[in-house]
Amino acid sequence: GDSVTQMEGPVTLSEEAFLTINCTYTATGYPSLFWYVQYPGEGLQLLLKATKADDKGSNKGFEATYRKETTSFHLEKGSVQVSDSAVYFCALSRPTGTASKLTFGTGTRLQVTL
Amino acid sequence: GAGVSQSPSNKVTEKGKDVELRCDPISGHTALYWYRQSLGQGLEFLIYFQGNSAPDKSGLPSDRFSAERTGGSVSTLTIQRTQQEDSAVYLCASSLDWASGANEQYFGPGTRLTVT
Repeated sequence: GDSVTQMEGPVTLSEEAFLTINCTYTATGYPSLFWYVQYPGEGLQLLLKATKADDKGSNKGFEATYRKETTSFHLEKGSVQVSDSAVYFCALSRPTGTASKLTFGTGTRLQVTL
Repeated sequence: GAGVSQSPSNKVTEKGKDVELRCDPISGHTALYWYRQSLGQGLEFLIYFQGNSAPDKSGLPSDRFSAERTGGSVSTLTIQRTQQEDSAVYLCASSLDWASGANEQYFGPGTRLTVT
């Protein structure tokens, strides 16, 4: 079945550091890929998405590129801020004709310090 | 408001009692999804609705769990004879339609269920 694997957390970085959170997936066909973010005490929010190979999703300085050859969708940001501290979830959706449920990774907690 | 809303935000119940969790999707969204977030299992899909029908119930963990949706809008997730392992945050999401995997799902704030 479909699955998503994320790097273990927590990830602790100083402000302005470069961020990479690795995500790989297993799925047949051509899934759509997403990054969701959950800030402390808040619900899940869509951060960015990509729907086909070589697409780059971007939002709020975060980027991720859909790599079909390596089945990856790594999240990057050039300079993190304290306000980026949150849990980040990689997810995929594979339309089957009857459902497009999301399959999530386990989440990676990011803590950014001054 | 314009977002997905869920009620109650918190629910504490005794083992063996029934609970009902409610979700109000974004107006006009035809697809509605229920997920569960727990420490041991991460984020798990439970069930999804297209309109009022539920083509995919594959994630419901047992027959104690059921859900319905009326008028293509509000949905209720019911857990009968609650057990301690049911303790989790129950999340609802909606999207414009079900057919496109690229369609974004918008999540509500969740209902935190604690079974004592």
